[in-house]
Order: sequence, then structure tokens, then C-alpha cells
Amino acid sequence: DAGVTQSPTHLIKTRGQQVTLRCSPKSGHDTVSWYQQALGQGPQFIFQYYEEEERQRGNFPDRFSGHQFPNYSSELNVNALLLGDSALYLCASSFLGQNTGELFFGEGSRLTVL
Amino acid sequence: QQPVQSPQAVILREGEDAVINCSSSKALYSVHWYRQKHGEAPVFLMILLKGGEQKGHDKISASFNEKKQQSSLYLTASQLSYSGTYFCGTGNTGNQFYFGTGTSLTVIP
Repeated sequence: DAGVTQSPTHLIKTRGQQVTLRCSPKSGHDTVSWYQQALGQGPQFIFQYYEEEERQRGNFPDRFSGHQFPNYSSELNVNALLLGDSALYLCASSFLGQNTGELFFGEGSRLTVL
Repeated sequence: QQPVQSPQAVILREGEDAVINCSSSKALYSVHWYRQKHGEAPVFLMILLKGGEQKGHDKISASFNEKKQQSSLYLTASQLSYSGTYFCGTGNTGNQFYFGTGTSLTVIP
């Protein structure tokens, strides 16, 4: 049973560029959440997708956008990259119907903005 | 909305006990605990859904005081494998969580 997979694992961009990160949720999961984790900090909630719609959003600017596909996979897009966007981006999947709410995390995509 | 954890860091010798606290300024619907080892993804430890609920597995347990909007994680007879950063996560509705500030735990021989 494959867990949560993310790609790419590492990438380097320059300021002003755009980036797309991808996530495939754990088999059987229908909800994908994205988090930004700066070095030495806790994960910060970006947004959550369910049924191909953004259900919840954290305190992130519109430069951060996402999408969920019919197969439940998801993309995170960041436009006009800033140096401060350098971080580990984590994708977490869950099943909305479950009461436990356990999040399964992927290994993350480490973004460096130069 | 980010919960505050204390202490920020703790160093233990194998076999010692530790308590990590998590406090929120907002009402809590649920509390989750995760452990993240360096360079790895956070791993789920447990979730507490009701005020007053306590859970545990192995020698790690947690409590949830809904009225005080607090949760505590208890690690007894710590092992080297317990080292990592511990995060609480507080839920409001659905599966949305806000993670705490983190507590770095180092267990030394």
C-alpha cells in the first residue's frame, strides 16, 4: 500500500519564478492538505482540498494556489517566488469520513529560492 | 491560531521521563500529537477527541483538558528512539489542523 508521495523532492528556483509541487495521497484517502515548514519551525497550514475544491485556507497570500484532481492527487502552485518561500512543503492526506482525523505525511518537497 | 508548546527543547538521559505541554488560545475540538525526526516527515502518534480523554501506547501517553484548552504528552522511561521534534496539532472542524511551535527532544545514553 503506497503512502503519500510527493514530487519533486528537491528543487531550486530564483525569485520571481513559479513552481508546481505534486502530491499523491495514500490509497483510500480523499482529502489533501498542504503545509509549509520553514527550518526549525512547525508546519504552517496552507490549504486543504476535498472533492476538488479548496475547503479551508490558512494565512497565505493568493500567490499560493492549488488544485485537486478527480483521482484525489493534488498540486500546489506558488507564483512570483520570494526568498521567504524557501521551505519544506509537506502534503498530508486523510479520509474525511474517518473520525480519527489522522494525517499521513509525504516526505516533502524542499524548495530553495535564490 | 498556532498553539504554544513548552518547553521548546529538552535533553533527557535514557530512562528519564518528560512532559510536553500544548496550549491554545482558542477552543479545541481535538488534539493530535506528531513526532518528526530530522529530515523526515511528521509521524502520527495519537489523537484525543474529547476533553478529559487520555490515551497511550507503549510508554507514550497524552491527556486533553478541554476546559483549559491544553494537552500534555507524557514520555516515560525514554528511549533513544524517542528523539525528535514533537508537535501538537489542534483541530477546529473537519480535518484542518494547526500545528504547535514544536518541542525538540533529545535522548542521550
